[in-house]
Amino acid sequence: DGGITQSPKYLFRKEGQNVTLSCEQNLNHDAMYWYRQDPGQGLRLIYYSQIVNDFQKGDIAEGYSVSREKKESFPLTVTSAQKNPTAFYLCASSISAGFSPLHFGNGTRLTVT
Amino acid sequence: SQQGEEDPQALSIQEGENATMNCSYKTSINNLQWYRQNSGRGLVHLILIRSNEREKHSGRLRVTLDTSKKSSSLLITASRAADTASYFCATDLGANSKLTFGKGITLSVRP
Repeated sequence: DGGITQSPKYLFRKEGQNVTLSCEQNLNHDAMYWYRQDPGQGLRLIYYSQIVNDFQKGDIAEGYSVSREKKESFPLTVTSAQKNPTAFYLCASSISAGFSPLHFGNGTRLTVT
Repeated sequence: SQQGEEDPQALSIQEGENATMNCSYKTSINNLQWYRQNSGRGLVHLILIRSNEREKHSGRLRVTLDTSKKSSSLLITASRAADTASYFCATDLGANSKLTFGKGITLSVRP
């Protein structure tokens, strides 16, 4: 089955630690995205990548970093500089740049205490 | 900022009834998309309507787009308990712009 796999589903970290969220897709999509979702809120774009070895900041990139060394993988690192990291993180992909339509993974819920 | 705003924020209906959800936006768009999110899961793309289209159907879903009023509606006919979810509209301005999501509508379908 083609799709997007995010792991782990739940992640707990202590404040001050960096943490990396995994996102893998086997859809052969060029573009990949990371969104953050807070309770009762829409999705906010963190970073996106339209092609391997290239990525751009979204609306809330501060405190986050990404890499795109392989087409299939787009890991997100939440650094200690992110002031409010507890959230639901969603990874998505699309056939090509342009965001339409998006295929989503099932998310990683990160809790930082 | 350009953002779809859904209305109402929450909707509760009886199974078998129709559910109508609305989305308004601020500037011209390339297309508008509707997504569904079950609790604790990722979003699932439902339907995309382009700026030159006025209506699209997909199974029990009907989406309309009125570019003069900058609004869209999503109609789910003969709702089922399994339709219980949050529904989001997202606007695409085209030209490699970013897809912008609204805050979503929580639909509850009572058996």
